Amino acid sequence: GESVGLHLPTLSVQEGDNSIINCAYSNSASDYFIWYKQESGKGPQFIIDIRSNMDKRQGQRVTVLLNKTVKHLSLQIAATQPGDSAVYFCAETQAGTALIFGKGTTLSVSS
Amino acid sequence: KAGVTQTPRYLIKTRGQQVTLSCSPISGHRSVSWYQQTPGQGLQFLFEYFSETQRNKGNFPGRFSGRQFSNSRSEMNVSTLELGDSALYLCASSSARTGVGYTFGSGTRLTVV
Repeated sequence: GESVGLHLPTLSVQEGDNSIINCAYSNSASDYFIWYKQESGKGPQFIIDIRSNMDKRQGQRVTVLLNKTVKHLSLQIAATQPGDSAVYFCAETQAGTALIFGKGTTLSVSS
Repeated sequence: KAGVTQTPRYLIKTRGQQVTLSCSPISGHRSVSWYQQTPGQGLQFLFEYFSETQRNKGNFPGRFSGRQFSNSRSEMNVSTLELGDSALYLCASSSARTGVGYTFGSGTRLTVV
């Protein structure tokens, strides 16, 4: 499947491939991280979250990996479908503070 | 249950005017946050309210203000509009204190001409 080591603004994959979207977060004190999906004309939609005491969390077709050493977060989407086409954002927060969003990655899935 | 409702969905205003945007959170949610989304700056935090009190404020000029009512509904106001205020304004609500479990509305698209 397609994967990127650094953040890229766009990612194009074929239907059925696995996708990996990367994000570098800014605050080493952040303790909660979230991935959002935003489709055209809609607000961000929650996909999956992870707390800083975890390295990995799995959902339905999605996995989030957290590497606190290098302040890196990734979202893996298995068997990517055309309906997964959207902009994906990572967000971080420290208790009592607001969400800080990363730059989005536009995922395009072709069938 | 109903999601976060933002009104109006679209708005066109002239420079120098003021505008008020409304957000109705999910029933039972007491935390409401506002974000500005632009192609150049991405999603930027404006402010957060919890039980009618502003808990956090982002780095925006004083022309941007907000409030929350006793029923948790929130409004934000932008005075003396500038062209650069054109953006998608998003509201998010949560039952928790901050940052956790936020549900976003579809936003209000503000265009300043």
